[in-house]
Amino acid sequence: EVQLVQSGAEVKKPGESLRISCQVSGYSFTDNWIAWVRQMPGKGLEWMGIIYPGDSDTRYSPSFQGQVTMSADKSISTAYLQWSSLKASDTAMYYCARRYRKFGGVGYFYYYMDVWGKGTTVTVSS
Amino acid sequence: EIVLTQSPGTLSLSPGERATLSCRASQSVSSNYLAWYQQKPGQAPRLLIYGASSRATDIPDRFSGSGSGTDFTLTISRLEPEDFAVYYCQQYDTFGQGTKVEIK
Repeated sequence: EVQLVQSGAEVKKPGESLRISCQVSGYSFTDNWIAWVRQMPGKGLEWMGIIYPGDSDTRYSPSFQGQVTMSADKSISTAYLQWSSLKASDTAMYYCARRYRKFGGVGYFYYYMDVWGKGTTVTVSS
Repeated sequence: EIVLTQSPGTLSLSPGERATLSCRASQSVSSNYLAWYQQKPGQAPRLLIYGASSRATDIPDRFSGSGSGTDFTLTISRLEPEDFAVYYCQQYDTFGQGTKVEIK
């Protein structure tokens, strides 16, 4: 069974650093990209970016470029999302998800997020 | 940058009724990258539809997707109590703002 297990809830102060994790099991970690998605309280889903664990290639949404860093450790099948200096506006639920690529026919693929972690709640408050 | 606009914002229906949710893209997009997700309170999103019209594993056949170009639709043929939730469309790296399906 494919599973993405996220680290537990965090409560931090503005200016502090943080790294949250997403450990995968049930498939080869380096076969698929991992996506990170933010959901602020009472709001919708925001695509933050993706990382390919095979070579740590990353693609950030312009809204999150420079605000967070995505990384991956192949040896323990774990992806990370980190902040160097948190702000109150980083308070949100953060989901990781496997971005699956399915062969659709000659020359094309489907892309979608088929398995999600349960999310990590990050609260930033003084 | 592609913008996905979902309508309506809220849909008030009764169990057994048909729900039709719209997702409109600001420019033509590939159907291969168009997916729909369901999210219930306190839960992670769940994949319903990928490739605009293919049901994900274990998704009941009352859920169907259609569309191409800039206009896509998620249809729930007969609402079950467990279908009341928020639904999001996604195209590659963009989500719509969501449609809430609530009990009338």
